Order: sequence, then C-alpha cells, then structure tokens
Amino acid sequence: GAVVSQHPSRVICKSGTSVKIECRSLDFQATTMFWYRQFPKQSLMLMATSNEGSKATYEQGVEKDKFLINHASLTLSTLTVTSAHPEDSSFYICSASALRGRNTEAFFGQGTRLTVV
Amino acid sequence: TQLLEQSPQFLSIQEGENLTVYCNSSSVFSSLQWYRQEPGEGPVLLVTVVTGGEVKKLKRLTFQFGDARKDSSLHITAAQTGDTGLYLCAGDRLESGTYKYIFGTGTRLKVLA
Repeated sequence: GAVVSQHPSRVICKSGTSVKIECRSLDFQATTMFWYRQFPKQSLMLMATSNEGSKATYEQGVEKDKFLINHASLTLSTLTVTSAHPEDSSFYICSASALRGRNTEAFFGQGTRLTVV
Repeated sequence: TQLLEQSPQFLSIQEGENLTVYCNSSSVFSSLQWYRQEPGEGPVLLVTVVTGGEVKKLKRLTFQFGDARKDSSLHITAAQTGDTGLYLCAGDRLESGTYKYIFGTGTRLKVLA
C-alpha cells in the first residue's frame, strides 16, 4: 500500500505555544488529505478535509483559527495547533487519498501524540 | 450525528471463540473499509468492500457488505490474542461537493488467552 509519513510522532509543548504537524505522502500524490483527532479509547473524529491548493473544509465544531491546515503541495499537508491548551492534548492522525471520489482507500500516518502542559 | 454506528462497542472473549462486529448506517456508501488500530498507531487497512452483497475473506476474517450498501459486518473465527485491537469501519461521503472520509464509532476487541 501507499506510504504516509507523519511527523513528529510525539510532541510536548507549553500552553500558549503553537505546534506544527506534517503529513507527507511518500510514494503517491494526494489530492485530498484528512485530519483526525482521536481521544483515548474512542474512534477517529474527522476534523477537516484538505484539498491541494484550496482552503480546508472544517467539520462543525472545529475552530479554523485554532487548527490551521495548509495543503501546499500534492505530497504535503500540515496541521498547526495554535495557542495550544491542555484540552488540545490528543492523538492526531492524518490520512491521504489519491482519489477524490468513489472507492476511496485512505492511507494513514503513524499519528502524533500531542501533550500540552 | 454519527453516520457509521458500530456494535458492539466493546467485546471481551476467550481465545478460540467466534465473534461478529457490525457497522450500520442509514446512508448508502460506495464502498466501506475495515481497519484495525493498535494503541498509539495509525489504523491499518484490512479490506475494502465495494459491491452490495460482497463477501471477502482474509484468513480467519470474513467481511460482508450489505445488499443495500448501508451496512457491513466483520466475522472473526477462532479468535486469537493477536486479534486484540480497535476495529473501525470507514467510508467516504460526498457532502456539499466535498468528499469526506469518516469512521465508525469503533469496536474494541479483547481476546483473552
């Protein structure tokens, strides 16, 4: 399957600072990338859908100004958690798809464990 | 509103037992995927089902897509401790011109030795 690399895998930051998470598709071009948040023992909740060269589409309840998403190229999308607070601590996962439509099979990054202290 | 509901949410069984996990929706999906996720890692794709009524087998795992493409099931035969993990169904939906890839509520399986 296709490879998606997410970096960093773990990050600890101080409250009030910003953290950037990178998601790269290594062996294919991803026109669409998805960002998820996962709380302990729960499923993945879609935060936003990111299309290359256009603004991300955020899910209801997700603050656009807090979770900045940039999809500048077909192989890279970034999620920046701005002015992080302890409640932002979570497991963040990205996925990339080479297709826009039918029979999408998303390939996932390894996830980023964010801890805000 | 959760588009993909999984049941049961949690299942603890003895090694060697059989089990079935269900993924239900009121919406039609062009395809559904099943994943397994270990703690601290990203989900790993197990299978994709595309055609209504389709049955796919992956060793001891049997996946079925409902005739109406609104539901799917995962059956594990003779469960092993290595099957322990979080099982997730997922599919893509077109909403307001944007394709979104969403996950089910998840089923946490624990297989005891």
